[in-house]
Amino acid sequence: QLQLHESGPGVVRPSETLSLTCSVSGGSTISNNYYWGWLRQPPGKGLEWIGTIFYGGSTDYNPSLQSRVAISLDSSKNQFSLNLTSVTAADTAVYYCARLEYSHLLFDHWGQGTPVTVSA
Amino acid sequence: EVVLTQSPGTLTLSPGERATLSCRASQPVKSNYLTWYQQKPGQAPRLLIFGASIRATGIPDRFSGSGSGTDFTLTISRLEPEDFAVYYCQHYQPSPLFGQGTRLEI
Repeated sequence: QLQLHESGPGVVRPSETLSLTCSVSGGSTISNNYYWGWLRQPPGKGLEWIGTIFYGGSTDYNPSLQSRVAISLDSSKNQFSLNLTSVTAADTAVYYCARLEYSHLLFDHWGQGTPVTVSA
Repeated sequence: EVVLTQSPGTLTLSPGERATLSCRASQPVKSNYLTWYQQKPGQAPRLLIFGASIRATGIPDRFSGSGSGTDFTLTISRLEPEDFAVYYCQHYQPSPLFGQGTRLEI
């Protein structure tokens, strides 16, 4: 059974870089049928897509975050990562990694989420 | 860019009642890419319905989806206590976007 697990610091200082890793088990990140993505949910608010990556390396980012976001994938470790630079309090959220199924463009498996607070 | 608007924002019902949740797109969208998720407090979203009307694996048949074009509906025929949660619709045009959610409360 596919499982995703986010890891990274729970607190990041303003202006610094938020770095998270998603470890995938029970399946491979090397697939023609799936992308791998990051989403977030600020406290008490809805879901926001951050970006996705294909194992071949192609990426797609939310235009509102594009200048600050980078997603990478390490297929040898079966992991993918998120870097978000120059964070502010507005980046405080629960961050989820998820698998994007390509035929219906939906997120079919999610990590449990990791809370990140931007605070000095 | 497409905007998904869900209504109502909050729906208050009792177990055993029928729930009807709406997701309206600002322009016609492909039904094949219309998805519904359920999210309970402290949990990740859970895939419910995809392709506007296809139940995901393990989803009870009291959940159903319908619609096309700009108007989509999630119906829960008889509410169980575990169904009280927040529901999101999602599309992908040209990138993933979500509605703001409907909170279903007792």
